[in-house]
Amino acid sequence: KAGVTQTPRYLIKTRGQQVTLSCSPISGHRSVSWYQQTPGQGLQFLFEYFSETQRNKGNFPGRFSGRQFSNSRSEMNVSTLELGDSALYLCASSLDGRAYTGELFFGEGSRLTVL
Amino acid sequence: GNSVTQMEGPVTLSEEAFLTINCTYTATGYPSLFWYVQYPGEGLQLLLKATKADDKGSNKGFEATYRKETTSFHLEKGSVQVSDSAVYFCALRDSSGSARQLTFGSGTQLTVLP
Repeated sequence: KAGVTQTPRYLIKTRGQQVTLSCSPISGHRSVSWYQQTPGQGLQFLFEYFSETQRNKGNFPGRFSGRQFSNSRSEMNVSTLELGDSALYLCASSLDGRAYTGELFFGEGSRLTVL
Repeated sequence: GNSVTQMEGPVTLSEEAFLTINCTYTATGYPSLFWYVQYPGEGLQLLLKATKADDKGSNKGFEATYRKETTSFHLEKGSVQVSDSAVYFCALRDSSGSARQLTFGSGTQLTVLP
């Protein structure tokens, strides 16, 4: 079956702009999580959505937001972009994010460059 | 809080050499432990996992054993190949609290030379 799909794969923005990234989870998966990957900070958790509700949020400023639709697809938005927001943004899906024994399936990521 | 400490990289080995990447963790509850691999330009792929103490995860010749007494989950492979060149991440998901996100180590870059 199809994996996690993220769009766009690459994008370039300038400071102050905003960006929206999209994630389509594996069919049947209801939990979607977002992670930011940077060389300096590594992989950091942004937020997790389940059944259109944000269940968990990492330690990021309010400029980072997300939502999930009824078909489990998710979007994340970053407003007022800063240079430090340049990163690979990874989306991961799972059947139910509460199952701590379960695997997260990752997409290939959206690479954001802020100039 | 939860944390994962991984062996610093980069690691460079010759083909057919033995690989060990050390990983230790701190967790509040009873975590599940994972090794993910990231090939250049790609996302993360699960390599193996273990969900309770003394479990051994294995895949593609890689192995790791969940050691509760030493809070460790070291990754090993007996004979590496050039195609194993990638970044390896140790991670945990804790059973306690309401959060279920993955906590990652810093990653270890592995380069295998022919």
